[in-house]
Amino acid sequence: GNSVTQMEGPVTLSEEAFLTINCTYTATGYPSLFWYVQYPGEGLQLLLKATKADDKGSNKGFEATYRKETTSFHLEKGSVQVSDSAVYFCALSGLSGGSYIPTFGRGTSLIVHP
Amino acid sequence: GAVVSQHPSRVICKSGTSVKIECRSLDFQATTMFWYRQFPKQSLMLMATSNEGSKATYEQGVEKDKFLINHASLTLSTLTVTSAHPEDSSFYICSARQETNQPQHFGDGTRLSIL
Repeated sequence: GNSVTQMEGPVTLSEEAFLTINCTYTATGYPSLFWYVQYPGEGLQLLLKATKADDKGSNKGFEATYRKETTSFHLEKGSVQVSDSAVYFCALSGLSGGSYIPTFGRGTSLIVHP
Repeated sequence: GAVVSQHPSRVICKSGTSVKIECRSLDFQATTMFWYRQFPKQSLMLMATSNEGSKATYEQGVEKDKFLINHASLTLSTLTVTSAHPEDSSFYICSARQETNQPQHFGDGTRLSIL
């Protein structure tokens, strides 16, 4: 079946530091890839997406590139802010057992200090 | 666009009570809705997938008679936790998707506390 593996957290950074959260996946065919963000006490929000190899998704200064050769979709941001503190989920939507079922990673908590 | 409303946001009730949670897509038609349970330390557990007009598909280990899911229209799905007990206390999140392979849009979640 499909699976998503992302780095364990928490990731703790100072404001304006560079962020990378690693995500790799296993899937058949050509899944779509997503990053979602969850702020404390809230549901998940779509942060960015990529639907085919070499696509780069970007939003709010975050970027991730769909790398089929390495089956990765790492999330990056050049300069994090305190307001970026949240839990980040890598996810894919791909064919599994005849249906397009979403698969999530376990989430990575990001803590940004002033 | 792509707003999903989940209601209520918080429920506190006595053991043995049944609780209904609603999930509505406000500005799009959702062919598929998903129900998740989120445990401490963040992990999301997919409970079931529901398609409008058909029976929900439950993940292994999820009790169908305990967690009743109805997807009566393209904009509404409900999850009813029947005869809830303290071990059912959790954060339940719904999501809706318009087309396959498209992103899901999530509700804000429901914090269920059973006393």
